[in-house]
Amino acid sequence: EPEVTQTPSHQVTQMGQEVILRCVPISNHLYFYWYRQILGQKVEFLVSFYNNEISEKSEIFDDQFSVERPDGSNFTLKIRSTKLEDSAMYFCASSRPGEQYFGPGTRLTVT
Amino acid sequence: QKEVEQNSGPLSVPEGAIASLNCTYSDRGSQSFFWYRQYSGKSPELIMFIYSNGDKEDGRFTAQLNKASQYVSLLIRDSQPSDSATYLCAVNNNNAGNMLTFGGGTRLMVKP
Repeated sequence: EPEVTQTPSHQVTQMGQEVILRCVPISNHLYFYWYRQILGQKVEFLVSFYNNEISEKSEIFDDQFSVERPDGSNFTLKIRSTKLEDSAMYFCASSRPGEQYFGPGTRLTVT
Repeated sequence: QKEVEQNSGPLSVPEGAIASLNCTYSDRGSQSFFWYRQYSGKSPELIMFIYSNGDKEDGRFTAQLNKASQYVSLLIRDSQPSDSATYLCAVNNNNAGNMLTFGGGTRLMVKP
């Protein structure tokens, strides 16, 4: 069964550093998403991406964040200058549209 | 502000019983409704979706939707200890971005 994959599973970085989180969506899906979940809190939407452009973004997705689909398979989330409060699980998801399927997540720890 | 509310639990049921999980949402324009299961430290796993008023059954799971009352529920029949997890309700108003708004989840504990 096809699934969303994410790398790395855990990323530790220092405050102010740039990080890139990587995702490979399900191959025949057209919509791609990033969500995050701070420990003990709700899953929060960050951004959705369709047809090589952002279709919606939340207030969390400020100028420090960017997304890219650099080739036909990868979908990346870049955080330019990480803050302590960016520490969270980051989930990539994809859909045809319709039902969204989540990857296993990347745990980002900012020290 | 679009809100999705769930009782945080824990909801404790004995093995073999029916577990009933509830969710309310504030946006009347919501069109699609999803239930995800999340084990501790893991990602959300889609278990049910429902788009129309009424009931939808899949194996031991039944999703129920009442748009007039802005209420969606999940019933788990013959609950098993492996069903112990946090169940997340998510709502989509089918806007251009397909953004999901999640509730805080209900923690279910199934006792052997």
